[in-house]
Amino acid sequence: DIVLTQAPLSVSVTPGESASISCRSSKSLLSSKGITSLYWYLQKPGKSPQLLIYRMSNLASGVPDRFSGSGSETDFTLKISKVETEDVGVYYCAQFLEYPLTFGSGTKLEIK
Amino acid sequence: QVQLQQSGAELVKPGSSVKISCKASGYTFTSYDMHWIKQQPGNGLEWIGWIYPGNGNTKYNQKFNGKATLTADKSSSTAYMQLSSLTSEDSAVYFCARRGGTTWDYWGQGVMVTVSS
Repeated sequence: DIVLTQAPLSVSVTPGESASISCRSSKSLLSSKGITSLYWYLQKPGKSPQLLIYRMSNLASGVPDRFSGSGSETDFTLKISKVETEDVGVYYCAQFLEYPLTFGSGTKLEIK
Repeated sequence: QVQLQQSGAELVKPGSSVKISCKASGYTFTSYDMHWIKQQPGNGLEWIGWIYPGNGNTKYNQKFNGKATLTADKSSSTAYMQLSSLTSEDSAVYFCARRGGTTWDYWGQGVMVTVSS
């Protein structure tokens, strides 16, 4: 199975500042079609996860452009610039390259 | 608008089975995979499998073979997941999620299953 390792476990951010979350894959997530199959989700408290970034760097519909994704074949970063209070929750990376689909263990973002 | 409405919380006894549902609306039910994801209390997310309601094809995480059975009823646009031989390890919130395009784009609200005597 592909293992996704997220860091840090938690991050505390002052509103208006930026935050970065790392996700490292045990295997390249670059498919034969040239697509990097890495996704980012946010699970707000008491809610279902919501899609933020698809295929490593594409912003999902309705997601503020304060969110951005980048990376290589195995190392990925979610950056949140100008963090707002509504950004609190747990951030997960997930891979869709191969079965079983797997998630990172999550990074909890809190507001200072 | 697309909605996935899941059934209510369940309290079940160890060794028993439970069947939870996910009623879809706002789109053509038979045209999209329906996935199921497990979230244990305080823990992360774990993919269980998917069903394609159009033809009933399924794909499971091997870890859940024998534990979870996915079905779908086209007439009511409802997906089901049955969990069998329940233990405390099965106590969790279970989400259904539609796969639209390359990933999950709509999620149900989740169903809490508690296994306790």
